[in-house]
Amino acid sequence: ILNVEQSPQSLHVQEGDSTNFTCSFPSSNFYALHWYRWETAKSPEALFVMTLNGDEKKKGRISATLNTKEGYSYLYIKGSQPEDSATYLCAFSNTGNQFYFGTGTSLTVIP
Amino acid sequence: EAQVTQNPRYLITVTGKKLTVTCSQNMNHEYMSWYRQDPGLGLRQIYYSMNVEVTDKGDVPEGYKVSRKEKRNFPLILESPSPNQTSLYFCASRVLGTYYEQYFGPGTRLTVT
Repeated sequence: ILNVEQSPQSLHVQEGDSTNFTCSFPSSNFYALHWYRWETAKSPEALFVMTLNGDEKKKGRISATLNTKEGYSYLYIKGSQPEDSATYLCAFSNTGNQFYFGTGTSLTVIP
Repeated sequence: EAQVTQNPRYLITVTGKKLTVTCSQNMNHEYMSWYRQDPGLGLRQIYYSMNVEVTDKGDVPEGYKVSRKEKRNFPLILESPSPNQTSLYFCASRVLGTYYEQYFGPGTRLTVT
């Protein structure tokens, strides 16, 4: 079983604040790193698929970076809004077929 | 609408009574997978399939079976459920390849008493 760690476990920010969280994964045999957004009572939805060292992806106010050599990815949210409240999951794959998920970062944006 | 569906959404059953959770996708995806979610743990992969008649074990396959007889369907079978299989189960599908994300079904909440 591969170890994927996310930090912090939970985060409370004020509306308008920018925030970031970390996903750490094994630095060997990298295939892909996925980020998902998971709202309560819903199913996870994909944010980004990152495959190359140095990748930077952006979708609106959310962006992500990838460092495969040191085994980490950052997710950034600029100007957090209450609708950004969710759990953010990362999933590491070393083969493209097996995925190892972190336990997630729970974000609460306070209006 | 492109989607992954699961049935049932909620199920309460008793130890030892065989059950099947169905999963179906309408996106013609080659890859399908089952996960379970337990408090304090990340999603853990049970089984996955890369195409019809091709299945393989994930991290936690014990006590589960799967089959992939058609591309769109990937049922999860619990031959003799036990209380430690009480969990939230997600089915997911994706295009096979490096750059493609997974699409998750709505989840099945299973309680085994």
